[in-house]
Amino acid sequence: DSGVTQTPKHLITATGQRVTLRCSPRSGDLSVYWYQQSLDQGLQFLIQYYNGEERAKGNILERFSAQQFPDLHSELNLSSLELGDSALYFCASSAYGTLGNEQFFGPGTRLTVL
Amino acid sequence: KNEVEQSPQNLTAQEGEFITINCSYSVGISALHWLQQHPGGGIVSLFMLSSGKKKHGRLIATINIQEKHSSLHITASHPRDSAVYICAVKGGATNKLIFGTGTLLAVQP
Repeated sequence: DSGVTQTPKHLITATGQRVTLRCSPRSGDLSVYWYQQSLDQGLQFLIQYYNGEERAKGNILERFSAQQFPDLHSELNLSSLELGDSALYFCASSAYGTLGNEQFFGPGTRLTVL
Repeated sequence: KNEVEQSPQNLTAQEGEFITINCSYSVGISALHWLQQHPGGGIVSLFMLSSGKKKHGRLIATINIQEKHSSLHITASHPRDSAVYICAVKGGATNKLIFGTGTLLAVQP
């Protein structure tokens, strides 16, 4: 158990809908990272927050947004969902702000868009 | 061409064998991660390297910054080592992680 929690575990929704994925980092970790893993693209880095502020941005679509709250939990919002958004979404946390730090991964949320 | 290449893509070994997985990258980096993903999907961070060599139990990771290459070695492999092993680099000039496509390892008893 990494100490990182993600909810929900599974999510099934329809095209055009909006969903919110939630992540709670390990106790004391200030950074939260979001990743997408799809069958055709592999693992991709989406975005990083550090202590409430956006720190780094990867291949995140404009339809997606994220935020980190004062209690350090983070939410990833996916809107106008398309079939191609079906994937595993992982959250990870680390103590510090740079991507070179060791990261601890959550169990992931499996999103299926029908 | 991908910025991070792993080889082999698939590897089958007999229990007890010494295993090497390679990662080559084409960008300047400040750190390299090795991750393990089990069949259930969970990801575990194995190593984070910026130079030299690290060892955890039967796992050893090395990096050669000049040659832009890293290796992950597993000694005395065991069926529970069966997983996908993923290399990821933090580009020195960019603040994002770039992933390799992974190596699927199956260790047979």
